[in-house]
Amino acid sequence: LAKTTQPISMDSYEGQEVNITCSHNNIATNDYITWYQQFPSQGPRFIIQGYKTKVTNEVASLFIPADRKSSTLSLPRVSLSDTAVYYCLVVSNYGGSQGNLIFGKGTKLSVKP
Amino acid sequence: DVKVTQSSRYLVKRTGEKVFLECVQDMDHENMFWYRQDPGLGLRLIYFSYDVKMKEKGDIPEGYSVSREKKERFSLILESASTNQTSMYLCASSFVQLNSPLHFGNGTRLTVT
Repeated sequence: LAKTTQPISMDSYEGQEVNITCSHNNIATNDYITWYQQFPSQGPRFIIQGYKTKVTNEVASLFIPADRKSSTLSLPRVSLSDTAVYYCLVVSNYGGSQGNLIFGKGTKLSVKP
Repeated sequence: DVKVTQSSRYLVKRTGEKVFLECVQDMDHENMFWYRQDPGLGLRLIYFSYDVKMKEKGDIPEGYSVSREKKERFSLILESASTNQTSMYLCASSFVQLNSPLHFGNGTRLTVT
């Protein structure tokens, strides 16, 4: 199972672009990289997922280099409402399904006015 | 929209009591998960299930058991609650496909006194 490492916390200001990098050195060939966002008193919410290169949706972009040993979540022009904990997760194949999904400790992003 | 409902938002129990935490999902998901979340430790997987009556241990199964008699319902059982099981408990569900995102409930804050 691929273990992930990400910064404990990050600070930013409104309007800036924020990049959060996650290391997953022992990622396996069939593993996916997924990011979740969690606000206080709520369960985590899926943001974005990727396998390689770049993925973009209405919320964020995900950059994955060719060796796939790391990934970077990019949040364009953050606002105060983006203050949350962001989790990087490597989804591993478990008998053809996903299983034993291990979350790391997450990155607490604080956006200031 | 996917809904994962946890039966209680807050629960207070005494040491030694048997505690049931219930989780129901309405999207016909095959996979269901139980996590606990503690400050500084992130989310830790307790048990997961990929089918009715099937269960697999996660990272920290000691002191817990689970039951999945119906596809939509996944119960977490604390056989004899202890104070170190005071925590936020989060249930999640997903389709079986490897790249299917997890959908979380809003959690149950359990206090054992």
